[in-house]
Amino acid sequence: EVQLVESGGGLVQPGGSLRLSCAASGFTFSSYSMNWVRQAPGKGLEWVSYISSSSSTIYYADSVKGRFTISRDNAKNSLYLQMNSLRAEDTAVYYCARISGLTFDYWGQGTLVTVSS
Amino acid sequence: QSALTQPRSVSGSPGQSVTISCTGTSSDVGGYNYVSWYQQHPGKAPKLMIYDVSKRPSGVPDRFSGSKSGNTASLTISGLQAEDEADYCCCSYAGSYTWVFGGGTKLTVL
Repeated sequence: EVQLVESGGGLVQPGGSLRLSCAASGFTFSSYSMNWVRQAPGKGLEWVSYISSSSSTIYYADSVKGRFTISRDNAKNSLYLQMNSLRAEDTAVYYCARISGLTFDYWGQGTLVTVSS
Repeated sequence: QSALTQPRSVSGSPGQSVTISCTGTSSDVGGYNYVSWYQQHPGKAPKLMIYDVSKRPSGVPDRFSGSKSGNTASLTISGLQAEDEADYCCCSYAGSYTWVFGGGTKLTVL
């Protein structure tokens, strides 16, 4: 069974940093590209970042470019999102999601990030 | 990267059919056959219901179907059941390993 479990969310002040993790199991992690997708309270989903299976290809949404860094450790079956210079508008539930083809086929339960003073 | 446009809400009675639209541009919905639909119950993770415009993952009832015409994709749910009440969100590939989502539609089963 595919499982994705996010962690690392919490309350952080504007301008602060946070590192999210996503632990994967139930599939060959190193064979799949992964993504981070977020959902602000009461809002729709927003794609945040993509990383290929070998980390050779990485993309970001314009809203986080230059502030967020996606990475992965295939030996640890883990995906990460380093978030710097956080803003109030970054407040959201952050999901990690596996890509199959060009579709997000499995999602974690999410971790809540709240940016507030 | 503008969000795709969905109606805020739709409703239907048990047994009826409802259709949710998802309008984008020629750079996303109209340009690729990679539209997917997700069901999300409150406080839960999104669940894939339709991918590649009209394909159903195993385990998804055939009451759920998808289609696309031009820059607009649609999700149709036939034979509505109480358990179908949820938020539904569309997503389209937008090129260069980027994606755009819709704002979500709340389905109410009357």
